[in-house]
Amino acid sequence: NAGVMQNPRHLVRRRGQEARLRCSPMKGHSHVYWYRQLPEEGLKFMVYLQKENIIDESGMPKERFSAEFPKEGPSILRIQQVVRGDSAAYFCASSPQGAGSYNSPLHFGNGTRLTVT
Amino acid sequence: EDKVVQSPLSLVVHEGDTVTLNCSYEVTNFRSLLWYKQEKKAPTFLFMLTSSGIEKKSGRLSSILDKKELFSILNITATQTGDSAIYLCAVRDNNDMRFGAGTRLTVKP
Repeated sequence: NAGVMQNPRHLVRRRGQEARLRCSPMKGHSHVYWYRQLPEEGLKFMVYLQKENIIDESGMPKERFSAEFPKEGPSILRIQQVVRGDSAAYFCASSPQGAGSYNSPLHFGNGTRLTVT
Repeated sequence: EDKVVQSPLSLVVHEGDTVTLNCSYEVTNFRSLLWYKQEKKAPTFLFMLTSSGIEKKSGRLSSILDKKELFSILNITATQTGDSAIYLCAVRDNNDMRFGAGTRLTVKP
């Protein structure tokens, strides 16, 4: 039973380019969360999605960032026109039920480390 | 505004010491509080707490929740160098999970 799969593991982009981060949740999980971890800091919530719906995007910057979780395929976190400050580790987590159902914790992927040069 | 505050932000101890990590929270619709250990890879789940006063224990680690005072502690006894990590506290409400900034624990030999 594969865990949460994120790819790529490492991504290098130049300023102004686009970054696409992918997350395949665990089998049977329909809830996906994206977090950003800046160096030496804890995880910061960005967005919570269910299949085809954005439930909570309060932690995501209004500009340049977007997320989707289509009916088929992985969840995508997209960062347009990247800047140096976007350099961070981006973690994806999934759960079979929403965070309001507290019977199972989130399962995290290994993250994508984005470096903007 | 919902928030999760962990203290201390960093802690350096020697092997064999006992440490207590703190997590206080303000969340509108509290559901549960979770502790994670983060090393180089993704955070690994430690405990999930939903009820006050019930201690959860796993080996040298234990945790307890106080829903009246809105905090939780994570205790680690007889620390080992392998306990060195960032310990994350997260609180779930109806829709989401909010993380604290983490406590960076360093255990020296």
